Amino acid sequence: GQQLNQSPQSMFIQEGEDVSMNCTSSSIFNTWLWYKQDPGEGPVLLIALYKAGELTSNGRLTAQFGITRKDSFLNISASIPSDVGIYFCAGRLGGNNRKLIWGLGTSLAVNP
Amino acid sequence: DGGITQSPKYLFRKEGQNVTLSCEQNLNHDAMYWYRQDPGQGLRLIYYSQIVNDFQKGDIAEGYSVSREKKESFPLTVTSAQKNPTAFYLCASSIDGRPLATSSYEQYFGPGTRLTVT
Repeated sequence: GQQLNQSPQSMFIQEGEDVSMNCTSSSIFNTWLWYKQDPGEGPVLLIALYKAGELTSNGRLTAQFGITRKDSFLNISASIPSDVGIYFCAGRLGGNNRKLIWGLGTSLAVNP
Repeated sequence: DGGITQSPKYLFRKEGQNVTLSCEQNLNHDAMYWYRQDPGQGLRLIYYSQIVNDFQKGDIAEGYSVSREKKESFPLTVTSAQKNPTAFYLCASSIDGRPLATSSYEQYFGPGTRLTVT
């Protein structure tokens, strides 16, 4: 199946640093979703984006729906140890398509 | 407390046996999904159901079967035909519904079941 290009694959940062990750596609999407997964648990929805150019925040997390509708970005400010986990992007093509297309994830490690 | 439950958390089976994974939701969501997750491969869709008594194959349906007899339940059977069944299995649901709102497609996940077949 189709997959999104998510980068970077992994990050190792110091506590307090800002983090940026992104997803790109050759297809145009109507919806972008960002999830976080802790080890051994199901993904948790962080932010949902529905309009090109939309910028949405959830606490220290900010995500943007790219203008071209082919990409999305997630930023985490002032990282803390509990930010550790795998972050996934997922996109939905238009129409009545219910299937999500997933990135392979960005693994984040935070050094206290 | 509304949510999605999957049981058991860990499941062990011998090769050649069928095994059924449970998924229940009390969110009143119309659509439900089953994903498989392997290290480094992200989430791959096995089956999904938009309404009771109807379901569609996802990207990797071979060796799996599902049923949707109740809105709240979407059990997944891993059959002996599945060549590499050991994986982390995730169930999700979304509002779906009519008329469709932008949030209708947001998927919410259960805690997962880790299946090990030896």
